[in-house]
Amino acid sequence: GENVEQHPSTLSVQEGDSAVIKCTYSDSASNYFPWYKQELGKGPQLIIDIRSNVGEKKDQRIAVTLNKTAKHFSLHITETQPEDSAVYFCAASAGGNQFYFGTGTSLTVIP
Amino acid sequence: KAGVTQTPRYLIKTRGQQVTLSCSPISGHRSVSWYQQTPGQGLQFLFEYFSETQRNKGNFPGRFSGRQFSNSRSEMNVSTLELGDSALYLCASSLGGGRGQETQYFGPGTRLLVL
Repeated sequence: GENVEQHPSTLSVQEGDSAVIKCTYSDSASNYFPWYKQELGKGPQLIIDIRSNVGEKKDQRIAVTLNKTAKHFSLHITETQPEDSAVYFCAASAGGNQFYFGTGTSLTVIP
Repeated sequence: KAGVTQTPRYLIKTRGQQVTLSCSPISGHRSVSWYQQTPGQGLQFLFEYFSETQRNKGNFPGRFSGRQFSNSRSEMNVSTLELGDSALYLCASSLGGGRGQETQYFGPGTRLLVL
């Protein structure tokens, strides 16, 4: 089955700096890659997603890039703010609604 | 539109007991997926239900089961609880009509502690 690896597991940045989280996947059939943000005591919330026919997608301060050849995708957060502090998960899916998640990155934005 | 709701939010059980968790999807959503979240294993897919039928299943033992009702509400059951079943159980709903991947919306989860 699919195996998704996520790095780093923890990340601390100064407010205003950028944060980058990277994921790799193993199943070349995977074609949908969502990113989720999970705050304490809440379920994961979708923040951005990308499909395999697109190399990059941007939504305000958040962007995701996908390299299908290398089987990796990354989340970029620019101009970080304290409210960006949370755990971020990447996921991959090859079809249907079966998703495989990375192990999460705990992001801390230091004011 | 109301989000995904899960009940109960917290639960304490002892080994050997069984437990039933409930999930109400977003109105109009017909697919419900269940995940187990633990610090060591992260988010792991349990199963997905669509139109009262299990459509996908993860690699969990048969002690974990689920069902979906005609109103799309779903329950999952864990029998003969083990200490390792302590986790946050998350439910996610999506429209479910297509064969492609859809945006999933997660509930707040049920935190189960097995003593």
